[in-house]
Amino acid sequence: EIVLTQSPGTLSLSPGERATLSCRASQSVSSSYLAWYQQKPGQAPRLLIYGASSRATGIPDRFSGSGSGTDFTLTISRLEPEDFAVYYCQQYGSSPRVTFGQGTKLEIK
Amino acid sequence: QVQLVESGGGLVKPGGSLRLSCAASGFTFSDYYMSWIRQAPGKGLEWVSYISSSGSTIYYADSVKGRFTISRDNAKNSLYLQMNSLRAEDTAVYYCARDPLLGGARLASFDIWGQGTMVTVSS
Repeated sequence: EIVLTQSPGTLSLSPGERATLSCRASQSVSSSYLAWYQQKPGQAPRLLIYGASSRATGIPDRFSGSGSGTDFTLTISRLEPEDFAVYYCQQYGSSPRVTFGQGTKLEIK
Repeated sequence: QVQLVESGGGLVKPGGSLRLSCAASGFTFSDYYMSWIRQAPGKGLEWVSYISSSGSTIYYADSVKGRFTISRDNAKNSLYLQMNSLRAEDTAVYYCARDPLLGGARLASFDIWGQGTMVTVSS
């Protein structure tokens, strides 16, 4: 079973700063099948990145994804007030077919 | 517009059953793999089940295998989740979600989500 571990659990930053979120897999994950989501309170998650580095439709270019194998990163180049939320990584592979990381909460410092 | 709308949640006693529905609109439902994903109160996301576009391929998380059944009716643009032998730990918001396509290939992620339906299992 592939386990995704996200770090840090909570990240406190100010608007305008750069955010770097990590997602580490317990086994190698196909880059084609690594995605990132943003979730705000009371809302459904929103797809940000698929295929480790491709932005989903309508996602601003301040969001970028990178990585391969077991280490993946979501970077927000310059934080906007609306970016403060919880972020999840997700992989698709063998059993279980889909797993999510436990999430990183990005909060305003 | 592209939309998913879940229904069927509610309060049920342990051991009981519930059937969730997800109505799709604004896209060709029969082209897409679909999933159910849940989120317990204050917790993270947990994938529950996946169904292929034709319904011929189905996967379940171990936590629900043998108790939950996913199905779809492409003629009705609808996805379903039959939940039996419910437990307290099944309490969650249940989302249906679409696996996007790019050039005909699945992206194995979830680009469209419903608003969720709350399932509470309690005596």
